Amino acid sequence: DQQVKQNSPSLSVQEGRISILNCDYTNSMFDYFLWYKKYPAEGPTFLISISSIKDKNEDGRFTVFLNKSAKHLSLHIVPSQPGDSAVYFCAASPGGGADGLTFGKGTHLIIQP
Amino acid sequence: EPEVTQTPSHQVTQMGQEVILRCVPISNHLYFYWYRQILGQKVEFLVSFYNNEISEKSEIFDDQFSVERPDGSNFTLKIRSTKLEDSAMYFCASSWAVNTGELFFGEGSRLTVL
Repeated sequence: DQQVKQNSPSLSVQEGRISILNCDYTNSMFDYFLWYKKYPAEGPTFLISISSIKDKNEDGRFTVFLNKSAKHLSLHIVPSQPGDSAVYFCAASPGGGADGLTFGKGTHLIIQP
Repeated sequence: EPEVTQTPSHQVTQMGQEVILRCVPISNHLYFYWYRQILGQKVEFLVSFYNNEISEKSEIFDDQFSVERPDGSNFTLKIRSTKLEDSAMYFCASSWAVNTGELFFGEGSRLTVL
């Protein structure tokens, strides 16, 4: 039962271009969404979040967009840098908090020089 | 920068043995979590802990699992009788509030059950 889906296992983007990572969810109770970044042999690192009352949240090079009607969110990274190469996890939670986050399977982003 | 630390980094055990995974959360955090990731699969929520009691747990967190905060710094996950399917990377996480969404994860403890 995949309540949070990341349909692209991997994505390759040229350095300097925009990286767009997508995430779909099925549970209408989710109202808080997060992106985590994970390097090999490390734990996930919080990147950016958005609550359901907003449709966009921006933090430096990272922007998350939320389309509630489509149950879809995306993470934009611009410009992409080599250090952005990592696995990106989309996560969702009901009730506006971190209790019991449901993660997607992750998308491996590879930034090409 | 404060961080969540986990020990051991890797543990190999025989099926049926008890395992304790240890975590030291960030010192001023109040909420503690265990997640796991089976190889090639997604990160799965196991349990959250606040004010010395479990606040939420998933279906995975059955009677074989328990958590404890034995002192002011450690947060442990015990698996009483390990099964082959318990082999996974176990991540501890902590946060200072339940509604920030920002969990700080440790580097994980890899458990291999033979």
